Amino acid sequence: QIQLVQSGAEVKKPGSSVTVSCKTSGGTFSSYAFTWVRQAPGQGLEWMGGIIPMFEKATYAEKFQGRVTITADEATTTLYLEVSSLTSEDTAVYYCARAGERITIFQNWFDPWGQGTLVTVSS
Amino acid sequence: DIVMTQTPPSLSVTPGQPASISCKSSQSLLHSDGKTYLYWYLQRPGQPPQLLIYEVSNRFSGVPDRFSGSASGTDFTLKISRVEAEDVGLYYCMQSIQLPITFGQGTRLDIK
Repeated sequence: QIQLVQSGAEVKKPGSSVTVSCKTSGGTFSSYAFTWVRQAPGQGLEWMGGIIPMFEKATYAEKFQGRVTITADEATTTLYLEVSSLTSEDTAVYYCARAGERITIFQNWFDPWGQGTLVTVSS
Repeated sequence: DIVMTQTPPSLSVTPGQPASISCKSSQSLLHSDGKTYLYWYLQRPGQPPQLLIYEVSNRFSGVPDRFSGSASGTDFTLKISRVEAEDVGLYYCMQSIQLPITFGQGTRLDIK
């Protein structure tokens, strides 16, 4: 049974960067797609992007293109999400999730999810 | 981008009574492969989302059979035949036929 365990909460200054990690265990890593979704306080879910480790190339929502970097380390079966030029609007819980059986980021479901990482951006 | 519109924003249900949540997509979610890429998630308080239904009407592993999904064109419905206390939370529909993947605004279900 695959598990996704994310890094702990972060407090960052506006203009800085943050990296959130998502360690996977108990399942195949390289041949699945993984995704990142965020949820601002009291708000809904927002898809940020995804990656298939065996292909290495990440795909991003246009809104985050150029400011977000998603990477995967096959040696440690860990995913990373880096968000730069942080503003208060980036305050949110960030979730990683594994996609379903197809090796695609879209046309797929997401389950299981990590427990979430709260990133707070405040001066 | 495909816009997913959920209604109602919230509902309060007596245990044992049915509940229904609607989701309308701004474009067809039916792919040429015959699949419709519409999903339902439940986010319990303080928890990450969990998958309930995939491709309109298929219950995910371990999901009770009181949950069901259906579709009529671009209108999708999640039904709970008999609400239980553990069903409290936020329900989201999601489309993944094309990027960017988009979610409905969510429907909050609580117990009367």
